[in-house]
Amino acid sequence: DVKVTQSSRYLVKRTGEKVFLECVQDMDHENMFWYRQDPGLGLRLIYFSYDVKMKEKGDIPEGYSVSREKKERFSLILESASTNQTSMYLCASRPRAGGTYEQYFGPGTRLTVT
Amino acid sequence: QKEVEQDPGPLSVPEGAIVSLNCTYSNSAFQYFMWYRQYSRKGPELLMYTYSSGNKEDGRFTAQVDKSSKYISLFIRDSQPSDSATYLCAMCPGGSYIPTFGRGTSLIVHP
Repeated sequence: DVKVTQSSRYLVKRTGEKVFLECVQDMDHENMFWYRQDPGLGLRLIYFSYDVKMKEKGDIPEGYSVSREKKERFSLILESASTNQTSMYLCASRPRAGGTYEQYFGPGTRLTVT
Repeated sequence: QKEVEQDPGPLSVPEGAIVSLNCTYSNSAFQYFMWYRQYSRKGPELLMYTYSSGNKEDGRFTAQVDKSSKYISLFIRDSQPSDSATYLCAMCPGGSYIPTFGRGTSLIVHP
């Protein structure tokens, strides 16, 4: 079974703090993704990574950065958290080979910035 | 206009009903179509996928794609309370593995 884990289920941070969200997958997948999910807006892609040390901007990268130093781990960084970054953050992964379009999601981190 | 439109609902039906969930899209390059199910406080999981036009059946679930109308559907027969979840459509253009998601439809099946 593919397993994608995220470091926290719930997180409360203050405005201006630097926030790290960690994602780990155990299936040797090359591709990893960070989304945020907001009511009425659905899933929006923040950043993705095709492989180690590679990263590409998604649709809403402003205010975020990422790090992929190891294949199994993809970190999302909020450099200076703001209240409009309060959201559900979902990490996903998929294998590069095999032609499958399916993404495997983690359980999500609900971040509240006060 | 968003690339993928999906009515957020909620859609409330009695147990045993046939449910129809739909998405429309504007990008004719989309070729790979998926339905994800997301239970409350969980991440989405893939339910079904189809490539190009046509139907695909898996147990009580049928996915249908009409590329000429840019319209996809997910039918659930004999719906159960355990089907209560948010259903997200997602689609990829040929050659890209980056999906565009619909906003999701909340389905409630009451006993």
